[in-house]
Amino acid sequence: AQSVTQLDSQVPVFEEAPVELRCNYSSSVSVYLFWYVQYPNQGLQLLLKYLSGSTLVKGINGFEAEFNKSQTSFHLRKPSVHISDTAEYFCVLSGTYKYIFGTGTRLKVLA
Amino acid sequence: DTGVSQDPRHKITKRGQNVTFRCDPISEHNRLYWYRQTLGQGPEFLTYFQNEAQLEKSRLLSDRFSAERPKGSFSTLEIQRTEQGDSAMYLCASSSTGKNTEAFFGQGTRLTVV
Repeated sequence: AQSVTQLDSQVPVFEEAPVELRCNYSSSVSVYLFWYVQYPNQGLQLLLKYLSGSTLVKGINGFEAEFNKSQTSFHLRKPSVHISDTAEYFCVLSGTYKYIFGTGTRLKVLA
Repeated sequence: DTGVSQDPRHKITKRGQNVTFRCDPISEHNRLYWYRQTLGQGPEFLTYFQNEAQLEKSRLLSDRFSAERPKGSFSTLEIQRTEQGDSAMYLCASSSTGKNTEAFFGQGTRLTVV
């Protein structure tokens, strides 16, 4: 069965500090992975996607993620966060008939 | 392309009433999904359409829930005899064919059952 695990439910970090949000997946077939962001009271917005090719994927707002097949991970990183990055982040795996979501990580950026 | 739109954005209903939500996907997308999201949780898959065919339904989807996508265009999600536990955000998404494509989500319909 395919699944996604986000290891941290909440991550507090000070402004301008680096951050890593962790994601592990399980899949026996080809893997297509995404990170979505949900700002308070807003819909889901695509941050970045891994489809194939380079394992380092760059997205919007300075975020990047690295696909690691041996460790079945797809961690999201940003070298310097801003207050405006405060949001819920979801790691998502493309399944056969659905997109499979992790439980989400709440990033709280502190001044 | 105006994105995925959902209507209404908010719905308050009394327990036991029926409600219907509408989703208009991106016009060229043949795949459409419904998800439910409760406070502090990730979206949970409800059902999937490819064109007008409903190909997958979650076991979470009780008999009180029904979805349609006539002519493979817009979709409706109906909840009959609503219960307080149905209170949630209902999200619609669409995508083009292929697993290697992202889903585009609407703003959602927030349902409150009182």
